[in-house]
Amino acid sequence: EPEVTQTPSHQVTQMGQEVILRCVPISNHLYFYWYRQILGQKVEFLVSFYNNEISEKSEIFDDQFSVERPDGSNFTLKIRSTKLEDSAMYFCASSRDRGQETQYFGPGTRLLVL
Amino acid sequence: RKEVEQDPGPFNVPEGATVAFNCTYSNSASQSFFWYRQDCRKEPKLLMSVYSSGNEDGRFTAQLNRASQYISLLIRDSKLSDSATYLCVVSNAGNMLTFGGGTRLMVKP
Repeated sequence: EPEVTQTPSHQVTQMGQEVILRCVPISNHLYFYWYRQILGQKVEFLVSFYNNEISEKSEIFDDQFSVERPDGSNFTLKIRSTKLEDSAMYFCASSRDRGQETQYFGPGTRLLVL
Repeated sequence: RKEVEQDPGPFNVPEGATVAFNCTYSNSASQSFFWYRQDCRKEPKLLMSVYSSGNEDGRFTAQLNRASQYISLLIRDSKLSDSATYLCVVSNAGNMLTFGGGTRLMVKP
């Protein structure tokens, strides 16, 4: 069964450093998403991406964040200058379409900012 | 008011029990409704979509009441493997999923 993959599984970084989290969505999916989950809290939407542009973003997704689809398979989330409060699990998801279509989640990248 | 509200639990039930979870949502414009399951430190996985007419998938039954903005999940004949956190999720016309905080279920032998 096709699945979303994410690398790395864990990332430790110093505050102020840039990090890039990588995702390979399911191959025939057209919509891509990033969510985050701070330890002990709920899953929160960051951004959705379709046709090489952001289609929706939350208040969390400020100028420190950017997304890119650099080639036909990868989808990346960049955090320009990490803060302590960016420590969280970051989940990538993809879906064939929007609305009722199921979003399939990757296993996540656990980011720890020191 | 929280957008999607759930009782965090934990619900501790014996194997074979029937257990029900409820969820309320605040955005009356919400159009799609789901139950996801999340195991400890893992990604959310879709359990089932929820339709206005109610729907059943084996031991799991989901109900939606749009007038009351209320969603429920019933699990019959609980198994040890059902132990997880159950996430109530709603979405608007776009792509953004809004998650509840989850209800933790522990099924004991």
